[in-house]
Amino acid sequence: EAAVTQSPRNKVAVTGGKVTLSCNQTNNHNNMYWYRQDTGHGLRLIHYSYGAGSTEKGDIPDGYKASRPSQENFSLILELATPSQTSVYFCASGINNQAPLFGEGTRLSVL
Amino acid sequence: GQQVQQSPASLVLQEGENAELQCNFSTSLNSMQWFYQRPGGSLVSLFYNPSGTKHSGRLTSTTVIKERRSSLHISSSQTTDSGTYLCAPYGSSGNKLIFGIGTLLSVKP
Repeated sequence: EAAVTQSPRNKVAVTGGKVTLSCNQTNNHNNMYWYRQDTGHGLRLIHYSYGAGSTEKGDIPDGYKASRPSQENFSLILELATPSQTSVYFCASGINNQAPLFGEGTRLSVL
Repeated sequence: GQQVQQSPASLVLQEGENAELQCNFSTSLNSMQWFYQRPGGSLVSLFYNPSGTKHSGRLTSTTVIKERRSSLHISSSQTTDSGTYLCAPYGSSGNKLIFGIGTLLSVKP
């Protein structure tokens, strides 16, 4: 069954710390995406990838890095977490001309 | 300015009433997607609609590419329809999927 799995599901981090959010998909999809969702802003695209080894900047990439070491895995990295990065993060995978599949989300709090 | 605009921002219905949700976009696109998000939950694809009208149960999606608009019609609403409905034009910039802020729907019994 097609799936997108995010880990952790919940995370509390300290300001200045490093945070890595992981996403795994078993769909053999080329495209993967990281979004954050905040009240009043909807879902905003942070980084995306066309395949293993590629990462592209989305609309709000500042403060975030991404890594796509394989077709299945796409990570979002916060090198120096700040309270403004407190949010719910969603990963998705997809291929052209089909609706993407979304993970269940990761709730991140930066204190 | 914002590339995707959804209206209304929120909507309250009595069970059984119909709803019409609108999505307007300023970018060119290949198709429009509609998603449903449960409160605090993940997103579920409702329609992948290149153009024209598509039906799924009580839901109907109509997309007019040339006019850069799409609508989602919900007939005979149920309390389980409550949640956020998001539209996302697809294919405007490579494989980026850009979302509107959404319409928060609440259906009262």
